[in-house]
Amino acid sequence: GAVVSQHPSWVICKSGTSVKIECRSLDFQATTMFWYRQFPKQSLMLMATSNEGSKATYEQGVEKDKFLINHASLTLSTLTVTSAHPEDSSFYICSAREMRSRAYNEQFFGPGTRLTVL
Amino acid sequence: AQSVSQHNHHVILSEAASLELGCNYSYGGTVNLFWYVQYPGQHLQLLLKYFSGDPLVKGIKGFEAEFIKSKFSFNLRKPSVQWSDTAEYFCAANSGGGADGLTFGKGTHLIIQP
Repeated sequence: GAVVSQHPSWVICKSGTSVKIECRSLDFQATTMFWYRQFPKQSLMLMATSNEGSKATYEQGVEKDKFLINHASLTLSTLTVTSAHPEDSSFYICSAREMRSRAYNEQFFGPGTRLTVL
Repeated sequence: AQSVSQHNHHVILSEAASLELGCNYSYGGTVNLFWYVQYPGQHLQLLLKYFSGDPLVKGIKGFEAEFIKSKFSFNLRKPSVQWSDTAEYFCAANSGGGADGLTFGKGTHLIIQP
């Protein structure tokens, strides 16, 4: 149980275009999903916290108008990279926090999406 | 500010050697601590977690970690490593309230030589 999927697993786009990444909790409901970014050979950096039905909370330094997050249901959150540029190329990873394990505070990670902006 | 630091960025061991990876955290209040592993080309997997209670936590694949509050540490250990343990290891933390995303350490790249 507790499986999180992401789609697509990788995407290549031209500079200036927008890219949407989906994060789904397949077998549980997630009130909260998190979006992280991982540069090559570096650690994960939290970008934003997404709560179902409300606006996302962004970490300092993350442009909310560039990285649009929508959490429309308890099983789906989307991250849209708008007007992508080469410096946005990275590995984007989502995680989901299961409702019924709130007391245990565990997050389940998706496999990640590799974005390459040409 | 909240932070997690991992002391060893690259570790090379021979099979059957004992492993200890250091992790220190800086958090106000209560803290939840995690160790994740990322095998080449795969996604993050949880090795073990500490929320409260027994400070010695046992995880999967023979790993364990000890929470030492006085040292703000949560070191990962394994008595005898295998070649298949070659991976990237991340220590992570969030506040005890549980609502926050995770703060990750920079990771330790572990290579096990056969």
